[in-house]
Amino acid sequence: QVQLVESGGGVVQPGGSLRLSCATSGFTFKFYGIHWVRQAPAKGLEWVAFIRYDGNFQYYSDSVEGRFSISRDKSENTVYLQMNDLRAEDTALYYCAKDKFGGPDSGGYVFDYWGQGTLVTVSS
Amino acid sequence: DIQMTQSPSSLSASVGDRVTITCQASQDISIYLNWYQQKPGKAPKLLIYEASKLEPGVPSRFSGSGSGTDFSFTISSLQPEDIATYYCQQFENLPLSFGGGTKVEVK
Repeated sequence: QVQLVESGGGVVQPGGSLRLSCATSGFTFKFYGIHWVRQAPAKGLEWVAFIRYDGNFQYYSDSVEGRFSISRDKSENTVYLQMNDLRAEDTALYYCAKDKFGGPDSGGYVFDYWGQGTLVTVSS
Repeated sequence: DIQMTQSPSSLSASVGDRVTITCQASQDISIYLNWYQQKPGKAPKLLIYEASKLEPGVPSRFSGSGSGTDFSFTISSLQPEDIATYYCQQFENLPLSFGGGTKVEVK
């Protein structure tokens, strides 16, 4: 069955860095795009970043552009989110989510499977 | 960037009631809209994609409609297990965006 498992969250001081991991299984990794979506405590969902199935296209929300970097390792079936210059407003539960449709002619960004999230707390 | 306005932000209804949530996009998004359910302490779950297509395994009491800028999501007969927050999400354009959510409670 499809699984996405996030890890790497923790407590970090403002200005610090963290690298989140999203380990996947149960589907053909190389065919699907992966997203990061975050949820601040008691708040709604916020889309953060996307990496295309082939790793050759990434896109970020304005709030993290220039500070966060998404990458993927096809040998490990894992997607990473490198987060630098962290701010208090980055405090959230970070989910990774899989695109429903795969490959070059995929139908768009529909999140059919999600992980359980990893908590990032930015505080001094 | 496309803004998604969801209403109401919360509602309370009785078991068996018909419940409708609306989502309005700040520009034409065709049918590129999804609906998710999030129960407390859980990850979101896809219910409806491309405005009206029911995700396999999702009960038929859930439905979606609309195109362009105005969309709706309906639970035809509210069940106790439907207590959750519901979100719309547009995918016509990057950056992707979610509505603010609708918290559904049972009276």
